[in-house]
Amino acid sequence: DADVTQTPRNRITKTGKRIMLECSQTKGHDRMYWYRQDPGLGLRLIYYSFDVKDINKGEISDGYSVSRQAQAKFSLSLESAIPNQTALYFCATSGGNTEAFFGQGTRLTVV
Amino acid sequence: KNQVEQSPQSLIILEGKNCTLQCNYTVSPFSNLRWYKQDTGRGPVSLTIMTFSENTKSNGRYTATLDADTKQSSLHITASQLSDSASYICVVRSGGGADGLTFGKGTHLIIQP
Repeated sequence: DADVTQTPRNRITKTGKRIMLECSQTKGHDRMYWYRQDPGLGLRLIYYSFDVKDINKGEISDGYSVSRQAQAKFSLSLESAIPNQTALYFCATSGGNTEAFFGQGTRLTVV
Repeated sequence: KNQVEQSPQSLIILEGKNCTLQCNYTVSPFSNLRWYKQDTGRGPVSLTIMTFSENTKSNGRYTATLDADTKQSSLHITASQLSDSASYICVVRSGGGADGLTFGKGTHLIIQP
């Protein structure tokens, strides 16, 4: 089983719909992150959490929200999806200054 | 503002040839630098990590170098294989800030038979 699991792997949704992307990890790490990857722009940080009760905005948090339900789970929500949120989304975990472990990604298309 | 610049943006080489990817960074304070390999449609996977005191580190056919004075790193791939086709991302960790990670945009490498 993967250390960092994202669901769904692919999703097509309509403009205005609410969608949730889920992430779970078995690494036992405290830190979890959500990134967005667009062609030519690299990975950009949306939100991050250092603990269950800790939520922090990243570089591009507008239009997104997150929930850290447990140490192992970190979900990303798009309250009202729009086409420019079409992208590849990655969840990652790390244990402080250690390597970041990435999930397999969720390809989201908003039509 | 912390930045990581990678070059070239894309590269095509023949199988069996060597290549070198470059990474220049302006990240302060510097903690470490990692090279990640990202296969198409997959998450990035760490290849090497370089700390301030390390000049070179190898992982099989991958060799990373770091010049902390000029703030440059390179990733050298020897005897390339078709499976090396991927994006290679340079990531620098700083001692502070949000997630402490600054990502380069990556070099897209294509190995042709």
